[in-house]
Amino acid sequence: DSGVTQTPKHLITATGQRVTLRCSPRSGDLSVYWYQQSLDQGLQFLIQYYNGEERAKGNILERFSAQQFPDLHSELNLSSLELGDSALYFCASSVDGRGLEQYFGPGTRLTVT
Amino acid sequence: GQNIDQPTEMTATEGAIVQINCTYQTSGFNGLFWYQQHAGEAPTFLSYNVLDGLEEKGRFSSFLSRSKGYSYLLLKELQMKDSASYLCAVRDWGNQGGKLIFGQGTELSVKP
Repeated sequence: DSGVTQTPKHLITATGQRVTLRCSPRSGDLSVYWYQQSLDQGLQFLIQYYNGEERAKGNILERFSAQQFPDLHSELNLSSLELGDSALYFCASSVDGRGLEQYFGPGTRLTVT
Repeated sequence: GQNIDQPTEMTATEGAIVQINCTYQTSGFNGLFWYQQHAGEAPTFLSYNVLDGLEEKGRFSSFLSRSKGYSYLLLKELQMKDSASYLCAVRDWGNQGGKLIFGQGTELSVKP
């Protein structure tokens, strides 16, 4: 158990819908990272927040957005969902913004039908 | 651009030693990481190299050569539980943050 929690574990929804994935970092960690893992793309970095501010950005689609709240939990919002968005979404956290040792949560498996 | 290459799969025998190679080309470099991921589970951190040389941690060692854009993960005294995907990742300094670029992973199967 890494200490990072993610909810929900599984999510099944239809194309065109919007979902919110939630992540709580390890106690004391200030950074949160979001990753997408699909069979054909591997593990892809989406975005990083550090102490409430966006720190680094990957190839995150415009349909996706994230934020980190004052209590340091984070939410990833996915809208206008497409079949290709079906994937495992991982959240990770680290103590500072450098991300030298990232602890991953168990992931949310999103299925878009 | 950024490119990370590692073999897709490898097979080894219990008790043996296996070396998983990773080559990378990135516009900026600030460290190389190895993660282990069992099927359907979260990746777990194994090692971090930022300077050239070998870092040893129990049965696992990781080597880095920055001039060659090359790293390897060495697993000794293989156990069945080591069957997993091993992900090589590079930290991109240019982003000032913790952005990691992951390779596709090497699926290691340990046979009795």
